[in-house]
Amino acid sequence: KAGVTQTPRYLIKTRGQQVTLSCSPISGHRSVSWYQQTPGQGLQFLFEYFSETQRNKGNFPGRFSGRQFSNSRSEMNVSTLELGDSALYLCASSLLGGSAQYFGPGTRLTVT
Amino acid sequence: DAKTTQPPSMDCAEGRAANLPCNHSTISGNEYVYWYRQIHSQGPQYIIHGLKNNETNEMASLIITEDRKSSTLILPHATLRDTAVYYCIVRVAVSNSGYALNFGKGTSLLVTP
Repeated sequence: KAGVTQTPRYLIKTRGQQVTLSCSPISGHRSVSWYQQTPGQGLQFLFEYFSETQRNKGNFPGRFSGRQFSNSRSEMNVSTLELGDSALYLCASSLLGGSAQYFGPGTRLTVT
Repeated sequence: DAKTTQPPSMDCAEGRAANLPCNHSTISGNEYVYWYRQIHSQGPQYIIHGLKNNETNEMASLIITEDRKSSTLILPHATLRDTAVYYCIVRVAVSNSGYALNFGKGTSLLVTP
């Protein structure tokens, strides 16, 4: 069974631009979570979607948003990029929503 | 979620067992202990989880003390590829409010030749 896939793997953007990242969960998994990882803050939870509904949200500004489609694929969007948004963005999926989550390889975003 | 405490770093010789401790003295009765690891620049990898009984899978064993206030992840024969940051997370298995994982700082395990 294929794992969690994320596209693109690497991205360079400039301040003020917006970016959309994509995540395809493991087949059959209905819950998708997003995390941001930076050297200073470590792994931080962004939000979780289950059956197209946002179920939980971390402490991030409204510039960070997401959505989930009927096939469980998910996208996250960051608008008005700031230098501090440079990070590894990780997507994780789980079967029905649970703490055993399976992570993708991440998207490395660099904001210049 | 209950708070966990892990040593910041540990070393282990290749081929020996790596025993990674985790303290979770405020764990509640319905909270599980989960272990993840993250190899440099990769996504975290789920390893194992347990409630109160010891658990074993192809990757590792999880030993939870009888009072559930601490646990140990055991990699029976550590290899160089086991060098990673290991995270112990205490979390409910079923939640109406979702499944945000609090990774903390983890233990950086270095396996040496």
